Amino acid sequence: AQSVTQLDSQVPVFEEAPVELRCNYSSSVSVYLFWYVQYPNQGLQLLLKYLSGSTLVKGINGFEAEFNKSQTSFHLRKPSVHISDTAEYFCAVSRVTGGGNKLTFGTGTQLKVEL
Amino acid sequence: DAGVTQSPTHLIKTRGQQVTLRCSPKSGHDTVSWYQQALGQGPQFIFQYYEEEERQRGNFPDRFSGHQFPNYSSELNVNALLLGDSALYLCASSFRPRQVFSYEQYFGPGTRLTVT
Repeated sequence: AQSVTQLDSQVPVFEEAPVELRCNYSSSVSVYLFWYVQYPNQGLQLLLKYLSGSTLVKGINGFEAEFNKSQTSFHLRKPSVHISDTAEYFCAVSRVTGGGNKLTFGTGTQLKVEL
Repeated sequence: DAGVTQSPTHLIKTRGQQVTLRCSPKSGHDTVSWYQQALGQGPQFIFQYYEEEERQRGNFPDRFSGHQFPNYSSELNVNALLLGDSALYLCASSFRPRQVFSYEQYFGPGTRLTVT
């Protein structure tokens, strides 16, 4: 079975400052890795994904994440945040092989960008 | 290109009642997954349907059941509602070209279920 740990439940940051949201995962098999964003009263939107290849993945809205296999981490970063980035961010994994592509999510990190 | 749609948007039910939630997948998608997101939590996988059959199931009781129609749309049914079933129910769709699962899932806006 897979599990995902998001170490920070809330991250406050000032506008234009850099931010890092941490994600660690546990799995006995190879996994794909994802970051989703959820704005208030909305569904989930895919920010970026790691499937294979380069460990540095770039996504939408200026976000990027780095896959570190030895540390089983997939931290999300943005060099300069905007007020509009205020939202809940979820890290998720799915198995590379085996039937189905279900996602296992972390508990989320609330990013609050302040002026 | 229509994305994933869900209905209704909000729903209020009483304990012990039954509820049906509906989902239409993104155009071109044939696989539908359902997730439950309790307040302040990450989404939890309920089950996945393709070819009109349940293919994977998470750790949810038999009170949760589903169906997929020939047009790939899907329903989630919950019987004997409990207060703890209050949550946002999310539908996600993907496609399986040549019987290989697509790794990317697209989510709908969700149905907010409140059980009183």
